[in-house]
Amino acid sequence: DQQVKQNSPSLSVQEGRISILNCDYTNSMFDYFLWYKKYPAEGPTFLISISSIKDKNEDGRFTVFLNKSAKHLSLHIVPSQPGDSAVYFCAASPGGGADGLTFGKGTHLIIQP
Amino acid sequence: NAGVMQNPRHLVRRRGQEARLRCSPMKGHSHVYWYRQLPEEGLKFMVYLQKENIIDESGMPKERFSAEFPKEGPSILRIQQVVRGDSAAYFCASSPTGVVDSPLHFGNGTRLTVT
Repeated sequence: DQQVKQNSPSLSVQEGRISILNCDYTNSMFDYFLWYKKYPAEGPTFLISISSIKDKNEDGRFTVFLNKSAKHLSLHIVPSQPGDSAVYFCAASPGGGADGLTFGKGTHLIIQP
Repeated sequence: NAGVMQNPRHLVRRRGQEARLRCSPMKGHSHVYWYRQLPEEGLKFMVYLQKENIIDESGMPKERFSAEFPKEGPSILRIQQVVRGDSAAYFCASSPTGVVDSPLHFGNGTRLTVT
């Protein structure tokens, strides 16, 4: 049973527009959420995170929103740039240790010129 | 990603052989994690180690898989008697602490192919 779900395997967005990547989770014990970005043949790179005590965290062009009641989070990228084309993984943790990270299957974001 | 070094990048093994995957964490990092990514899947946690200790191996298959992180040298993930289902990308990550808000730094992975 998938505890972290990314229901869109791929997403195509025009350069300059907003990209919105979604993630749902089922485990109520999750209280820390992260987004990782992955290019082909490379390892994932940490992008942004959010604790359950917040509902929004912003870092430059990247903003993560958390809706605890809906068990849903989203990553907004604005404006989208060609270098943003990658696979984005949502990950969640029940808190404390980094060994508890549960990853979604990823969404392949394609930025079109 | 260059900070965490994994080798080899690609490894081909025949069924029944042994596979050894190596990971050198970033300088100053004493916490190492191994994750496996099957085709079309997300990353699945396997094991968490500190120097000379296995902290959490709840994601490791019970048989054929083992991991170590000796006092000196890299962390090793060892798969004995490999089967086709072991074909995957294996990622190592390191962290200076074991807490979740210290993001993991991943290596570029070892792609294991079992023929």
